[in-house]
Amino acid sequence: EIVLTQSPGTLSLSPGERATLSCRASQSITSTYLAWYQQKPGQAPRLLIYGASSRATGIPDRFSGSGSGTDFTLTINRLEPEDFAVYYCQQYDNSPWTFGQGTKVEIK
Amino acid sequence: HLQESGPGLVKPSETLSLTCSVSGASINSATYYWGWIRQPSGKAPEWIASIYFNGRTYYNPSLQSRLTTSVDTSKNQISLNLRSVTAADTAVYFCARLRLGYCTNWGQGTLVIVSS
Repeated sequence: EIVLTQSPGTLSLSPGERATLSCRASQSITSTYLAWYQQKPGQAPRLLIYGASSRATGIPDRFSGSGSGTDFTLTINRLEPEDFAVYYCQQYDNSPWTFGQGTKVEIK
Repeated sequence: HLQESGPGLVKPSETLSLTCSVSGASINSATYYWGWIRQPSGKAPEWIASIYFNGRTYYNPSLQSRLTTSVDTSKNQISLNLRSVTAADTAVYFCARLRLGYCTNWGQGTLVIVSS
């Protein structure tokens, strides 16, 4: 099973700043089959990025994904108030699909 | 739109049964398939199972021995049965539409508590 480790656990930032979230895999994800989700309290996760760098429908372009192999990054430029949430990465290269433990982006 | 339904409280050792009703899309899709994911309070999501309209399934090995899923194309529904539950199975259970292996759409989730 591929283990995904996200860092940092918590990111304290102010609106307008840039957030850089990391997701590291325990083995190479060969097809860039990595997704990112945003989750707010009491809600289901929402797909942001798939294929490591493709934005899902309706996702603002301030969200971008990059990376390959074992190291992936989600960048949020110019944080908006609605961006403060928990973010999860998920790999779908190797069954069982697995999620990282999450990064919480909180208001500083 | 996906909507999970089922009992919110299940006794230990019994079977957890959930249904996901899909609207606005057909279960009979060659592009998408369907899945169950759960999330214990304060923890990361955990993938449970993936289900194709033709009945083909992929299960998380950690749950496989206790899992059964099914598809009802006439009702546009998928179902989940998890046997011999314990407190560790307490979680919010989501159904989702999947493409490749990522979740394009999620249901709102249903909380299942395992307790006597």
